[in-house]
Amino acid sequence: DTAVSQTPKYLVTQMGNDKSIKCEQNLGHDTMYWYKQDSKKFLKIMFSYNNKELIINETVPNRFSPKSPDKAHLNLHINSLELGDSAVYFCASQGGVYNEQFFGPGTRLTVL
Amino acid sequence: GENVEQHPSTLSVQEGDSAVIKCTYSDSASNYFPWYKQELGKGPQLIIDIRSNVGEKKDQRIAVTLNKTAKHFSLHITETQPEDSAVYFCAASRGGGYQKVTFGTGTKLQVIP
Repeated sequence: DTAVSQTPKYLVTQMGNDKSIKCEQNLGHDTMYWYKQDSKKFLKIMFSYNNKELIINETVPNRFSPKSPDKAHLNLHINSLELGDSAVYFCASQGGVYNEQFFGPGTRLTVL
Repeated sequence: GENVEQHPSTLSVQEGDSAVIKCTYSDSASNYFPWYKQELGKGPQLIIDIRSNVGEKKDQRIAVTLNKTAKHFSLHITETQPEDSAVYFCAASRGGGYQKVTFGTGTKLQVIP
């Protein structure tokens, strides 16, 4: 039973298009994140939501808009995709006394 | 904010040897230090963590040490096996509530059979 799931696994699209990535967790956690991992493997935090409310926005362009319909879901919508958006995007769920984070399998986005 | 530095960026060891990855952090209020292993094509997976009230923790072939005074912590893998090959990330957090976890830049470990 997957704790954190993401769809799709792969996403190939043209520049200028709009796309969404979905994330769901069944851990009962209140906090979820989106991270971007570039080709050098750096994990860069993008957003964090706690119980459907945005709590961290790390100066991400406003073409990126997270949406949390409930605390088990955190989706990422990207408008007007650019070549530099190509990366692997990870969703993570965080909870417990010491904030253990559990990552999803990632979505590899390729913008052509 | 917190800054976590991680070294080395790449590490090659012979199977059966030990591997050590070192991290330093800047925020003296950080009290939770997890380590993640990321295999090719997968998400990072929590493999071990240490809280600030202990100096060392072991789990089979993996051990972590923490020196709060010097603000550094390390991951030790003994008797390395090919399946240990992966990218390893250290991280630091203040813990509690919804505190942000700051990740190091990663170490690519290659275990040569």
